[in-house]
Amino acid sequence: DAKTTQPNSMESNEEEPVHLPCNHSTISGTDYIHWYRQLPSQGPEYVIHGLTSNVNNRMASLAIAEDRKSSTLILHRATLRDAAVYYCILTRSGSARQLTFGSGTQLTVLP
Amino acid sequence: DSGVTQTPKHLITATGQRVTLRCSPRSGDLSVYWYQQSLDQGLQFLIQYYNGEERAKGNILERFSAQQFPDLHSELNLSSLELGDSALYFCASSPQTASSGNTIYFGEGSWLTVV
Repeated sequence: DAKTTQPNSMESNEEEPVHLPCNHSTISGTDYIHWYRQLPSQGPEYVIHGLTSNVNNRMASLAIAEDRKSSTLILHRATLRDAAVYYCILTRSGSARQLTFGSGTQLTVLP
Repeated sequence: DSGVTQTPKHLITATGQRVTLRCSPRSGDLSVYWYQQSLDQGLQFLIQYYNGEERAKGNILERFSAQQFPDLHSELNLSSLELGDSALYFCASSPQTASSGNTIYFGEGSWLTVV
């Protein structure tokens, strides 16, 4: 699977938007971009995924660059409960579906 | 609640022993995955089963084995345990293996401490 690069940590104030970046310069045309998050002492939790177009769901938005070499996970109003490690993961269409986790971004939300 | 159930939640055992971790996937999910998370290694993929058959293998030690039963639940067997096997073991499931658009759902994990 192609690799992703994320900042080790980010901070945000409560109730403000958060933009979590991810670089994936070696992404192929059939790679999906997935975001998962892991709260302390819990299993990873699906957040959102996309292929080419921007995506929105109840948890977040995913903005994908036109060349697909980068993407941004947007939390519109951060809450204390959003403090977690956020993982940006690429998966290739048609391959076995295991996810390869990097080190992710530790998001701290300040009250 | 992801719908993936793992037991036991916590387990303490001695070096050299053998343990079995159990996972019940979400209803209808055919794929089961096992991951190991330790402080120094992060989340590592161990093995995947699809409808009872091994589908993919990751960094799983020879001392570890897994299987998926006809009712789709899965067990991860860890033998000749060493201190370094202390970790959080996650099971995850997904409906099918073919499409990258599918979401994978993780359980809460089984904490294994080897003393």
